[in-house]
Amino acid sequence: DTEVTQTPKHLVMGMTNKKSLKCEQHMGHRAMYWYKQKAKKPPELMFVYSYEKLSINESVPSRFSPECPNSSLLNLHLHALQPEDSALYLCASSQAPQGDTQYFGPGTRLTVL
Amino acid sequence: GENVEQHPSTLSVQEGDSAVIKCTYSDSASNYFPWYKQELGKGPQLIIDIRSNVGEKKDQRIAVTLNKTAKHFSLHITETQPEDSAVYFCAASYVKEYGNKLVFGAGTILRVKS
Repeated sequence: DTEVTQTPKHLVMGMTNKKSLKCEQHMGHRAMYWYKQKAKKPPELMFVYSYEKLSINESVPSRFSPECPNSSLLNLHLHALQPEDSALYLCASSQAPQGDTQYFGPGTRLTVL
Repeated sequence: GENVEQHPSTLSVQEGDSAVIKCTYSDSASNYFPWYKQELGKGPQLIIDIRSNVGEKKDQRIAVTLNKTAKHFSLHITETQPEDSAVYFCAASYVKEYGNKLVFGAGTILRVKS
């Protein structure tokens, strides 16, 4: 089973709202990733968690706050977003940080009004 | 630097024909090159990958070839079907201090006309 699940599927929020995106995998993977994907563009890496610790932040604004409560779960907390943050947010996982093969979830389509 | 170039950006083929998508990568890429298929409203799905110790890998109608000397790799889809219509991304893995980072090509929109 190579399934990564994400909730919600769609999210509409105002610029003053606080919301969270959730990601879950039960493959025993120890590396998890958040990507942002704008329309007709490739995924762009935002954060990497390695063994539940944040190991990379690709210069992402502080209005995005990741959290890894345990080895199966990854959250992305959103606060004071801008309309240009509207995008598809993808979660992925790999067996280990040195593991190359990443499996993606279906994504959360975020619209910021 | 980390760079992956992908061509063409769009590709239209007749059902049953073959489709080829090509990517080139910069020097510092490691030895892993995956291909992802992304359908509308879905996340990228890994369809095939190759490591640099082999030159070609095949899985039914899909094959990937790798030329390490020229630093390019290609996706070949034979006997295309309408359900092959999607966006295809190539990627190359780059070694970072925290692990391996995937750098994606810009994507190819494949349309299979029936």
